[in-house]
Amino acid sequence: EPEVTQTPSHQVTQMGQEVILRCVPISNHLYFYWYRQILGQKVEFLVSFYNNEISEKSEIFDDQFSVERPDGSNFTLKIRSTKLEDSAMYFCASIPMPGVFFIFEQYFGPGTRLTVT
Amino acid sequence: ELKVEQNPLFLSMQEGKNYTIYCNYSTTSDRLYWYRQDPGKSLESLFVLLSNGAVKQEGRLMASLDTKARLSTLHITAAVHDLSATYFCAVDLSGAGSYQLTFGKGTKLSVIP
Repeated sequence: EPEVTQTPSHQVTQMGQEVILRCVPISNHLYFYWYRQILGQKVEFLVSFYNNEISEKSEIFDDQFSVERPDGSNFTLKIRSTKLEDSAMYFCASIPMPGVFFIFEQYFGPGTRLTVT
Repeated sequence: ELKVEQNPLFLSMQEGKNYTIYCNYSTTSDRLYWYRQDPGKSLESLFVLLSNGAVKQEGRLMASLDTKARLSTLHITAAVHDLSATYFCAVDLSGAGSYQLTFGKGTKLSVIP
């Protein structure tokens, strides 16, 4: 069964460093998302991406964040200058064209645990 | 701003017992999702409820949606230890373009033998 994959599974970085989190969505999916979950807290939406551009973004997704789909398969989240509060689990998710065959559910990847020291 | 509230946030129950988790949301939406998360793991889709009155069942879990009351319930029947996990409900805004999910805080369920 196709699945969303993410690399790395765990990333440790120092404050102020840039990190790139990578995701490979399911191949025929068209909408892509990044969410984050601070330890023990709820899952929060960061950004959605469709047709090679940002569709929606949350207040969390400030100028330090960017997303890119550099080729036909990868979907990346870059944090330019990490802060301690960026420590969280970051999940990528994807969905086919929403509503087609009544499919709306998002398929989540296994996550990347980002630790900023 | 869409708000999603779950209760209880923590639930400890004995095996064999029944219980219900509640999910309220603040804005009109026709789509409600339930996910399960095991510690340190990703989110596993349990149910997608697409219309008022929708009811879905899988094993010992049954989910329902009342869009008029803006309420969904996740009912657990005869709990077993394997159901121990955190359960999240989530809503996407009807009419919003990108279908992003707004999650509740989650209900951490512990089933005690």
